[in-house]
Amino acid sequence: DAGVTQSPTHLIKTRGQQVTLRCSPISGHKSVSWYQQVLGQGPQFIFQYYEKEERGRGNFPDRFSARQFPNYSSELNVNALLLGDSALYLCASSLFLTPNTGELFFGEGSRLTVL
Amino acid sequence: KQEVTQIPAALSVPEGENLVLNCSFTDSAIYNLQWFRQDPGKGLTSLLLIQSSQREQTSGRLNASLDKSSGRSTLYIAASQPGDSATYLCAVRMEEYGNKLVFGAGTILRVKS
Repeated sequence: DAGVTQSPTHLIKTRGQQVTLRCSPISGHKSVSWYQQVLGQGPQFIFQYYEKEERGRGNFPDRFSARQFPNYSSELNVNALLLGDSALYLCASSLFLTPNTGELFFGEGSRLTVL
Repeated sequence: KQEVTQIPAALSVPEGENLVLNCSFTDSAIYNLQWFRQDPGKGLTSLLLIQSSQREQTSGRLNASLDKSSGRSTLYIAASQPGDSATYLCAVRMEEYGNKLVFGAGTILRVKS
C-alpha cells in the first residue's frame, strides 16, 4: 500500500509569489494534517482537516490556507511568500481523530525555497 | 503552553552501544506520545506510539517508556548500528479529538562503525 504522497518534492519561488502543495493520504485515512519544519527545528502544526472540514489551526498567518477534497486528498496554499516561509512542509494522515487510533503517518515532504 | 525538550541535542556513539534519548514535556495532560525518526531532508517515520495509559512500548531493538506524571519519556536503542544514524523526534498529543502534535527539536544521532 502506498504511504502518504506529497508533491512537488522540491520547488523554488520568489518573494511575493504563491505556492500550492498537494498531499494524498494513506488509503482509507480520513484526516490530513499539515506541518512546517524549519531547518534545525521540530515540525510546527499548521492545519488539520477531517472529513473535508477544518478541525484545527496553528499559529500561522492568514496567508496560509488549506482544503480537503472528497477523496480526502488535501492542498496547502501559501500566498505572498516571505523568505521565512522557506521550510520542509510535511503532510500527515491518520485514520480518525481519536487518540487511540491517532498514530500519524508522514509523507516525505515538499521542500520550499523562497528567494 | 506545552513545551517539549529533547536531550541531548546531538549524540555520537560507537557501533554496538546501547543508548538512551530523553524527551521531557511541561504539561502532563497528554493523550499520547509518539517517537519518530527523520533522515536528512526526508519525512518522518513513526517508530513507537505510547498511549497515556501505557508505561512502555517495544519494537525490535527500540523501547520507549512514558512517565506521564513527571513529564518524561525515554527512547532506548539497543545494540546501535550505523543505519540508526538519523534525527529522533518526540511529539506529544494534547487534544482528545485532534491531530495536533507538539514536537521537540530532536536528537541528532550518529553511530560510528
